[in-house]
Amino acid sequence: EAGVAQSPRYKIIEKRQSVAFWCNPISGHATLYWYQQILGQGPKLLIQFQNNGVVDDSQLPKDRFSAERLKGVDSTLKIQPAKLEDSAVYLCASSLVENTEAFFGQGTRLTVV
Amino acid sequence: AQTVTQSQPEMSVQEAETVTLSCTYDTSESDYYLFWYKQPPSRQMILVIRQEAYKQQNATENRFSVNFQKAAKSFSLKISDSQLGDAAMYFCAYRSAPGSARQLTFGSGTQLTVLP
Repeated sequence: EAGVAQSPRYKIIEKRQSVAFWCNPISGHATLYWYQQILGQGPKLLIQFQNNGVVDDSQLPKDRFSAERLKGVDSTLKIQPAKLEDSAVYLCASSLVENTEAFFGQGTRLTVV
Repeated sequence: AQTVTQSQPEMSVQEAETVTLSCTYDTSESDYYLFWYKQPPSRQMILVIRQEAYKQQNATENRFSVNFQKAAKSFSLKISDSQLGDAAMYFCAYRSAPGSARQLTFGSGTQLTVLP
């Protein structure tokens, strides 16, 4: 079974530039999560989708972050414009609706300079 | 909102010895799930073990076991016969039961070093 795929693995951008991350969840997984993990900290939930609907985006900085999950499968997370404090690893995870376990991708390490 | 606390930022253990990582959580729910995830330097989050709150029996997976104390809201991970490959960041996580928003909330992590 293929796992959660994320791209790119690494990205370096200058502040005020824009960036986008892509996630392809495990086939059939209705729930998709985006987490931000700052170095030395635990992952913080940014947004949670159920199919193509948003379940929770209370911690998403909506003035600069946006996310979509078209057709309830792939998802993209965008930052525009980026700030230095956005430097982090962005993790995507997915799970079945009635399952308890979330499966994670390898993440995208973003460095804003 | 649920919170998860890991009070040990770093732990070390001698190879082949046993180590226990601590986790406490705060919730008003009666039905939920608890997890321990391992994150090696590759950044891939790997599920180590899970516990359903309605089960009294502590979960066990080979060398990994938990001590689940529901009343105390405590969920510690015991690693027996520690191996060099166990070295990683360990995160405790909480997930609401089916029917709710089912957020997955993480603690701040414990960095485990295994000494040869």
